[in-house]
Amino acid sequence: AQSVAQPEDQVNVAEGNPLTVKCTYSVSGNPYLFWYVQYPNRGLQFLLKYITGDNLVKGSYGFEAEFNKSQTSFHLKKPSALVSDSALYFCAVKLTGGGNKLTFGTGTQLKVEL
Amino acid sequence: SAVISQKPSRDICQRGTSLTIQCQVDSQVTMMFWYRQQPGQSLTLIATANQGSEATYESGFVIDKFPISRPNLTFSTLTVSNMSPEDSSIYLCSVESQGVTDTQYFGPGTRLTVL
Repeated sequence: AQSVAQPEDQVNVAEGNPLTVKCTYSVSGNPYLFWYVQYPNRGLQFLLKYITGDNLVKGSYGFEAEFNKSQTSFHLKKPSALVSDSALYFCAVKLTGGGNKLTFGTGTQLKVEL
Repeated sequence: SAVISQKPSRDICQRGTSLTIQCQVDSQVTMMFWYRQQPGQSLTLIATANQGSEATYESGFVIDKFPISRPNLTFSTLTVSNMSPEDSSIYLCSVESQGVTDTQYFGPGTRLTVL
């Protein structure tokens, strides 16, 4: 079985400060890991993914995430938050070679304030 | 990435009726999926829509309640049958394109309210 945990329901940061949205995963093999963002009344937008290779992956809108195999984590980061980054963020995992099933975390609401 | 559209974008339905949601992609895709996002919750996979064959349903979801069609590589429908207020959710389709087979891209969703 595969699962994803997002331990924080909400993260608040001030604009211009760095932000981190946490994600840990559990799979029985090698994972594919993803971050998606959902703005109000919108579908999910793909941000970035880790498949293999460099543990630090860069994605859209200045976001990046670091894959840490020993800690089974894939935290989303951005050096300088913007108010427009306020949205709901989902981490997701897929098992390599295990079909296409994508398992999502419960989501973290990011609020960036002036 | 593929451009995905869904119809309707939202609807309010009466208990006991059925609603069919359409998902259209601007290019041929290998895999299409249907998800449910209940209010304040995460996404749950309902089924994988297979072109030319029956959909593959996840545990807890059945064909009689959520019949799915996929007549070609760019289109799929999900029907929510005999609706109850518990079916009030956002329903999203997603696709894996033939060029990028490891990433799912999502449509804008259909917001369904059942009274």
